[in-house]
Amino acid sequence: DTAVSQTPKYLVTQMGNDKSIKCEQNLGHDTMYWYKQDSKKFLKIMFSYNNKELIINETVPNRFSPKSPDKAHLNLHINSLELGDSAVYFCASSSSSYNSPLHFGNGTRLTVT
Amino acid sequence: TQLLEQSPQFLSIQEGENLTVYCNSSSVFSSLQWYRQEPGEGPVLLVTVVTGGEVKKLKRLTFQFGDARKDSSLHITAAQPGDTGLYLCAGALSQTGANNLFFGTGTRLTVIP
Repeated sequence: DTAVSQTPKYLVTQMGNDKSIKCEQNLGHDTMYWYKQDSKKFLKIMFSYNNKELIINETVPNRFSPKSPDKAHLNLHINSLELGDSAVYFCASSSSSYNSPLHFGNGTRLTVT
Repeated sequence: TQLLEQSPQFLSIQEGENLTVYCNSSSVFSSLQWYRQEPGEGPVLLVTVVTGGEVKKLKRLTFQFGDARKDSSLHITAAQPGDTGLYLCAGALSQTGANNLFFGTGTRLTVIP
């Protein structure tokens, strides 16, 4: 069984469109995250939710809006997509305990044309 | 400038050789984690170090946390092709609050059979 699953795996879309990426975890974790990995493989946190409440919101354009309907899900909606949004987006989860490891999904490769 | 700089950025070695990857910062971290990422997948945790000077071994991999908790190293003995991947260090700045990990710039290792 997949621990952290995100869909779709690949997403190709045109500038200006709105798209969503879904994420689900079955590990019973209470904290979920969205990370962005750029073309140089640098991984940067975008958002973190604990028990459906936003606790980290790094400098991310307002076009990006996370939504957590419950503890097991954290979706990412992106409005008015731009070329610079092209990247691999990773969902992750962890327990809220100190030093808890992150469990990552396999990523969604977003290509904006 | 990134919070955590890794060196080297790329490393290509022959099977059986030894190597060391470095993770450096001017900031003090409460803990540091090492992850390995393979193509098309998310990062997977290898180890967590929390005490200055701590050394942990995972088979042929040896991890060390600097005495001042500002840096870490990963040493691989007798590298195998299966060690090929992107190695990422990630530091936590706080013991409380959000599990906000800052990832390093990454080291892409290729082990040639």
